[in-house]
Amino acid sequence: DSGVTQTPKHLITATGQRVTLRCSPRSGDLSVYWYQQSLDQGLQFLIQYYNGEERAKGNILERFSAQQFPDLHSELNLSSLELGDSALYFCASSVGYRYQETQYFGPGTRLLVL
Amino acid sequence: DQQVKQNSPSLSVQEGRISILNCDYTNSMFDYFLWYKKYPAEGPTFLISISSIKDKNEDGRFTVFLNKSAKHLSLHIVPSQPGDSAVYFCAASSPAGNKLTFGGGTRVLVKP
Repeated sequence: DSGVTQTPKHLITATGQRVTLRCSPRSGDLSVYWYQQSLDQGLQFLIQYYNGEERAKGNILERFSAQQFPDLHSELNLSSLELGDSALYFCASSVGYRYQETQYFGPGTRLLVL
Repeated sequence: DQQVKQNSPSLSVQEGRISILNCDYTNSMFDYFLWYKKYPAEGPTFLISISSIKDKNEDGRFTVFLNKSAKHLSLHIVPSQPGDSAVYFCAASSPAGNKLTFGGGTRVLVKP
C-alpha cells in the first residue's frame, strides 16, 4: 500500500459526459501528479500540482482539468468524454517538487467510455 | 517520439536465476532514473532509483546499472522469485521538468 488513495476504482460512462476522479496523496506529500495509461500510449504524464499550484503540464487535453485543494487532495475533471479517453488514470504523490524525488502511485481509476 | 524504450516486451526466467531488464533513453537531459513494478489492477510500485552521478545502485535483490555514454540502464534481479512476476517499467526525469517519462514496460514471468 503506497498510501495514495484514488476513488472511484472503476467508472463507466457515456460519450459526451463529464467525470471527476479523486486522489488523496500520502500523508506529508505536497506534490500530486496525474498520469494516463492507455493501451497504445503507455503511461503518460498529464499534470502536476504542488501545494495547490499547478507546477508542470504534460500531454493534457483541453477537455481535461485538474486542481489541488487546501487539504492537498486533487481532482481530475474529464469532460466531453470520447471513446479514446478510456484508460487507467493514476495519481502519484511526492514530498516536494524536485525532479529527483520518488513518486508513489495510487491504485488507479479505470475509466470506460461507451 | 519515444524517449524511453524497453525493447523487450516480455521475459521468462527460472526461479533462482537472474532476471535482466534493459532500458534505453534518447534524451541526454535525463539524469534521474527509476524502476517500477506493476501487478495487474494495482498502481506502479517504486523499486529502485539511480542518479546520473552513479553507475550502480543496489537494494537487496535489485541492482540498477547506468551507462550514461550508451544511454542505457538495466535492472538485475537476483535471485528471481515467483512473486517477481509483474510488469516492470523504467522511468526517467530531468531538471527541465518534474514529470516521469516511462518506457513501455517488460512483462516478467518467473517460473517455479
